[in-house]
Amino acid sequence: DIQMTQSPSSLSASVGDRVTITCRASQSIRSYLNWYQHKPGKAPKLLIYSASSLQSGVPSRFSGSGSGTDFTLTISSLQPEDFAPYYCQQSYSTPYTFGQGTKLEIK
Amino acid sequence: EVQLVESGGGLVQPGGSLRLSCAASRFIFSSYWMSWVRQAPGKGLEWVANIKQDGSEKYYADSVKGRFTISRDNAKNSVFLQMNSLRGEDSAVYFCVREFGGWADYWGQGTLVTVSS
Repeated sequence: DIQMTQSPSSLSASVGDRVTITCRASQSIRSYLNWYQHKPGKAPKLLIYSASSLQSGVPSRFSGSGSGTDFTLTISSLQPEDFAPYYCQQSYSTPYTFGQGTKLEIK
Repeated sequence: EVQLVESGGGLVQPGGSLRLSCAASRFIFSSYWMSWVRQAPGKGLEWVANIKQDGSEKYYADSVKGRFTISRDNAKNSVFLQMNSLRGEDSAVYFCVREFGGWADYWGQGTLVTVSS
């Protein structure tokens, strides 16, 4: 199985900050990498698919990049509603494994 | 807007069985892969299983292989997860998910499964 490792596990930031979360795959997954936001008690929300494609309706302050084994999710200017856990997921081969998550908290 | 509504969760004893259902609406159900993803208390997301549009291909996480079975009924726009030989570590919120191109573009609100004596 492909292992996905996110860093950092938690991150404190302020409204307006630019933040980057990284995700590393244990083998090449080409561009089969997706990012989700999951607020407690709610359904997870797809933000980015295929490493860099913005899901419809997601604000443009979210962006993704990378290919092969190393990927990043960037939020250009944090808004109050962005403080939540974030997960990467590979969809290169089943089982479609997730990273362990990054909890984005208000500083 | 796409709707996915899970049901069937509850409290079950270790070694017991439970069948989760997911009713889908407002999209052409038979055109999409469907998945189940779970989140144990205080833990991250874990992909559980998925099934092809016609049910001819099914894949499972190693942690549930041989115990869980995913199935679907395209006539009823529903996907199911039969869970047998349940363990404490299977306690989680289970989400029904629509897949598009491998990514999960729509999620249900989840149903809670608690395995405890």
